Amino acid sequence: GIQVEQSPPDLILQEGANSTLRCNFSDSVNNLQWFHQNPWGQLINLFYIPSGTKQNGRLSATTVATERYSLLYISSSQTTDSGVYFCAVESFNSGGSNYKLTFGKGTLLTVNP
Amino acid sequence: KAGVTQTPRYLIKTRGQQVTLSCSPISGHRSVSWYQQTPGQGLQFLFEYFSETQRNKGNFPGRFSGRQFSNSRSEMNVSTLELGDSALYLCASSFVSGTTEAFFGQGTRLTVV
Repeated sequence: GIQVEQSPPDLILQEGANSTLRCNFSDSVNNLQWFHQNPWGQLINLFYIPSGTKQNGRLSATTVATERYSLLYISSSQTTDSGVYFCAVESFNSGGSNYKLTFGKGTLLTVNP
Repeated sequence: KAGVTQTPRYLIKTRGQQVTLSCSPISGHRSVSWYQQTPGQGLQFLFEYFSETQRNKGNFPGRFSGRQFSNSRSEMNVSTLELGDSALYLCASSFVSGTTEAFFGQGTRLTVV
């Protein structure tokens, strides 16, 4: 099945710094999403971005589907940005979608005041 | 509109018992997926349902089962609980899996003692 690799696994920043999280995937995808897992475990949707670039406030994301990677940018980080960020993809197979999201292992972001 | 609702939020069970978890998707969404999250294995796909039909199943033993009702609500059942089944169980809904964004519930945290 498709492989999803996220880097870096851990990232420690000072408040106000910028960061880039990367997600590499091994096959064509028809869905790519970025999530932030809150301390209670819920996955919060950040971006649905199978291709192209999107921005939402201090966050932006870019997916280059032909090169099989996606980037999540966090600017002017705040302590509330701390947590685990997941990339998840849904891939095609010969019959169409395989109807499941495959997750990377996540990036644990810690933003210190 | 209301999000994905999972009940119960927390559950403690004894080895050998069975458990049923419930998921109510966003109104109008017809695809419901289930995922298990553990510290060691990360987020793993359990199964996906669309219009009461299971379209894909992850690599889990037969003790894990699910179903979807005509109103798109879904339940998953785990029989003969083992200590290793302790995990956060997350449910996701989407309008049509494969081409649309998935939204997750708050999860059910199951502890098997």
